[in-house]
Amino acid sequence: GNSVTQMEGPVTLSEEAFLTINCTYTATGYPSLFWYVQYPGEGLQLLLKATKADDKGSNKGFEATYRKETTSFHLEKGSVQVSDSAVYFCALSDRGNAGNMLTFGGGTRLMVKP
Amino acid sequence: GAGVSQSPSNKVTEKGKDVELRCDPISGHTALYWYRQSLGQGLEFLIYFQGNSAPDKSGLPSDRFSAERTGGSVSTLTIQRTQQEDSAVYLCASRLNTGELFFGEGSRLTVL
Repeated sequence: GNSVTQMEGPVTLSEEAFLTINCTYTATGYPSLFWYVQYPGEGLQLLLKATKADDKGSNKGFEATYRKETTSFHLEKGSVQVSDSAVYFCALSDRGNAGNMLTFGGGTRLMVKP
Repeated sequence: GAGVSQSPSNKVTEKGKDVELRCDPISGHTALYWYRQSLGQGLEFLIYFQGNSAPDKSGLPSDRFSAERTGGSVSTLTIQRTQQEDSAVYLCASRLNTGELFFGEGSRLTVL
């Protein structure tokens, strides 16, 4: 079956530090990969996505590259801000699954201190 | 409304009681999903509706859980004879065909 594993948090960084949140996956087909973010008191929202190998998704300074050889989709940002404090979820959608259901990782809480 | 709306936002109930959670998806979205987010855990898929097709109930954890979607729009998730382990945030999401998935803010259920 499909699964997503991401690093446990919380991750605590100072403002302007470099961020990496690791994500690896297992899938039976050819999945699309996503990062969702959940800000305090809000619902999940799509941060970025990549639909095929070697694609790079990017948004708001965040980037992730779809690495088929290592089955990874690590999230990176060069300089984090306090406003980036949130919970980040890695997810995959396997077109072989009915309805393209999203399978999520456990989430990683990021805390950025000024 | 502009987004996915869920109600109630918070529900506290006693063990053994039934609860109903409501989801209003974005107008026109054909697909609707329910997920559960337990404390410190990831999102657990519960059930999926697509148009008029039979729902995919493969994620429902027990027969105490059921859901329906009336008229292809509003969905209700019902939990009968609630247990303490049912305490979680229940998230609803909708999307148009295979586009981006939009989530509601969730309904936080606490079973005492």
